[in-house]
This record gives sequence, C-alpha cells and structure tokens, in this order.
Amino acid sequence: EVQLVESGGDLVQPGGSLRLSCAASGFTFTIYWMSWIRQAPGKGLEWVASMKGDGSEKYYVDSVKGRFTISRDNAKNSLYLQMNGLRAEDTAVYFCAKSYGDIIYFDYWGQGTVVTVSS
Amino acid sequence: EIVLTQSPATLSLSPGERATLSCRASQSISSYLAWYQQKPGQAPRLLIYDASNRATGIPARFSGSGSGVDFTLTISSLEPEDFAVYHCQQRSKWPVTFGGGTKVEIK
Repeated sequence: EVQLVESGGDLVQPGGSLRLSCAASGFTFTIYWMSWIRQAPGKGLEWVASMKGDGSEKYYVDSVKGRFTISRDNAKNSLYLQMNGLRAEDTAVYFCAKSYGDIIYFDYWGQGTVVTVSS
Repeated sequence: EIVLTQSPATLSLSPGERATLSCRASQSISSYLAWYQQKPGQAPRLLIYDASNRATGIPARFSGSGSGVDFTLTISSLEPEDFAVYHCQQRSKWPVTFGGGTKVEIK
C-alpha cells in the first residue's frame, strides 16, 4: 500500500525557515517524480515544486524560486522541502504527492502538513 | 504560464442528476489534463488523466473529454459521495497549473 506521510509544518514568523519532510512507502521511490503542492485556506491547489526520481531535474513555481528547495534522499525514501524567507502568502496545507508513472499527474497524496506564517 | 479556468464555480444539483464541469486552458495543452476530486479535510483524488482516461478504481459514471483548450468532466448520475470540489490540472508545460475548482453541492 502506498503511503505518504508529511511532517514539519508549524507556525513560523515572516522571514523564518522551515523544513518539510515526506516519508514514502509501498512503492519504488527512486523511479518516481515527487512533488509538493499547497492549498491556502479556502483556496484552490497550487503546485509548488517537483523533482525527478534520480534528482536530475527540479522545477519550481515562480513565487518560491530562490526561497524554497526541493530535495530527496532515495536511500531513506524521503522527500523534503526547505523553505526560507517565508511570507504570509506561503500559509497553506502542504501536500506531498507521487507522480502517476513517469508523468506529472498525482495519483497518491499525503494527508498534508500545515504551515502558518504569522507574527 | 498556462491558466486553467474552471466553470461554473459552484454547481447545485440533486442526487441522480448529471453534472457537467468545464475547464478551459489559456493555450492548447493537447490532451495533457487531469481531474481530481477533493472532499473537505481530505487530499485530492485523481479521477481522470490525459483528458479521458479513468484512474484506477474510478467508477464509470465519471468521464472526461476534450482536447486543445476545452475540457469537460461529466458525472453521469450523481451519487451522494460525489458532492465535492473538482480541480483540473495541466502537465503540458512547466509550471504545472491547476484550475480554481468547481464545487458540486447538493441542491
């Protein structure tokens, strides 16, 4: 059974940093693109970042470029999102998601972790 | 970036009725579109990929159609568990983008 479990969400002040983690199990982690997708309170979904299975490609939404870094440790079946320079508009539930085969659709999602940026 | 516009924002229907949801892309995305269902407090669930292919375990009452810029998700006969928010998503070009969502509510 595929499982994705996020952790690391918290209340942080503007300008602060946070590192999210996603522990994956039930599939061959190393061969799949993995992504972070967020949802602000009462809003729609926003794709944040994706990383290829071997780590050779990464993509980010413009609003987080230079502030967020996606990474993965295939030996630990884990995905990460390092978030620096946090802003109020980064407040959201952050989901970790697995890609459907080799294509960027999301067939499994975690339950989400809450990031709140506020003073 | 490719903008996806979903309409209507809210659809009020009764169980047993047919639901037709629209997603329009700001430029051609071929058939590179997916649909997701999301219930309150839950993560989204993949329903349809590449415009018309049902994901594993998705009931046949869900169908997708379209190509280019105009796409439709149809629920042939609404079941009580189908009342939820539906999102479309394109993978044609980076950045991946989602539509704003359509809420299907009980009339």
